[in-house]
Amino acid sequence: DAGVTQSPTHLIKTRGQQVTLRCSPKSGHDTVSWYQQALGQGPQFIFQYYEEEERQRGNFPDRFSGHQFPNYSSELNVNALLLGDSALYLCASSAAGRTYEQYFGPGTRLTVT
Amino acid sequence: SQQGEEDPQALSIQEGENATMNCSYKTSINNLQWYRQNSGRGLVHLILIRSNEREKHSGRLRVTLDSSKKSSSLLITASRAADTASYFCATFSSNTGKLIFGQGTTLQVKP
Repeated sequence: DAGVTQSPTHLIKTRGQQVTLRCSPKSGHDTVSWYQQALGQGPQFIFQYYEEEERQRGNFPDRFSGHQFPNYSSELNVNALLLGDSALYLCASSAAGRTYEQYFGPGTRLTVT
Repeated sequence: SQQGEEDPQALSIQEGENATMNCSYKTSINNLQWYRQNSGRGLVHLILIRSNEREKHSGRLRVTLDSSKKSSSLLITASRAADTASYFCATFSSNTGKLIFGQGTTLQVKP
């Protein structure tokens, strides 16, 4: 049973560019949450997707957007990258009604230069 | 924004000693969870304690929760070098439906 997978593992982008990160949830899960973790900090909630809609959103600008596909996989898009967007981006999946029980993927390390 | 604070920010102990880290939070919660993170990679769930529980054990882990003080502690007994990692507490509220993490405690266990 595959756990949560994320791609790519590492990514280097230039300021102003756009990036797309991908996440496949654990089998049986239908809810995907995204977190940003800056170096030395705890993860910060970006948003959560369920039934292909954004259900919850944290304090992040509109440059951060997402999508969930019918197979429950999800993408995180960040436009107009800033140096401060450099971070580890974590995806977590859960089952509807049990969103407190989240399983995390290994993360994507984004470096913006 | 972070839910609360963890202390200490960093902890260094010898193998075999116990490690205690604390977490405080600000709002009402349904449960509090502890996670481990090795070398900036994915988070591993360790233990969950519900708001109406005071103590919970899992192997060498012991978690306490004081809802009146909005604080929790994680005790790792008989630590091992493999316990070296960052530890995060996270609170969950059904009102928001999301996990809110603290800033973490970095634990180093010296062999």
